[in-house]
Amino acid sequence: AQSVTQPDIHITVSEGASLELRCNYSYGATPYLFWYVQSPGQGLQLLLKYFSGDTLVQGIKGFEAEFKRSQSSFNLRKPSVHWSDAAEYFCAVGLTNFGNEKLTFGTGTRLTIIP
Amino acid sequence: SAVISQKPSRDICQRGTSLTIQCQVDSQVTMMFWYRQQPGQSLTLIATANQGSEATYESGFVIDKFPISRPNLTFSTLTVSNMSPEDSSIYLCSVDEGVLDTQYFGPGTRLTVL
Repeated sequence: AQSVTQPDIHITVSEGASLELRCNYSYGATPYLFWYVQSPGQGLQLLLKYFSGDTLVQGIKGFEAEFKRSQSSFNLRKPSVHWSDAAEYFCAVGLTNFGNEKLTFGTGTRLTIIP
Repeated sequence: SAVISQKPSRDICQRGTSLTIQCQVDSQVTMMFWYRQQPGQSLTLIATANQGSEATYESGFVIDKFPISRPNLTFSTLTVSNMSPEDSSIYLCSVDEGVLDTQYFGPGTRLTVL
């Protein structure tokens, strides 16, 4: 079965600083990979996704993520964070078998932005 | 992407009662999903609801506790039955628009059981 690990429970960065959130997955085939963001009291918003092709994917709000097969990683990055980026970030892996479209989520990383 | 709404957005319920959560989508979708997010935790899939068939439940979740309806391609309900404080969670529905297994989520229903 697939699994997702987000090793950082909580990260604090200064506004304007760069950000990298780590995500490692375990899956026997080529995964579908996703990053979602959850602001306080809100549902989940899709930031970006990877299916195939270019391993560097661009998302909304200035986020990007890089798929590294050799490291089984899909880390999320942003060059300069804004106070509004404070939220919970979830990495997820999807099964690629047609008709069995399940997502497995990591435990999340809570991002705090300090002035 | 589809616009998804949930009702109620939050509720406080008494132990032993039931609550039905509605999920409405502004377009027709084949697959809908229900997730639970316990306080401070990640999301756990409860069941997959396809129109015209019985919901498929994940390990640890049973139909008697979480009955699901899917009467058409734009609507689903999840009932949390005979509630206990351990059911206090955020319940989220999501839809798969059929584009490479991408799921989009509703805003969630925050349930507190006293």
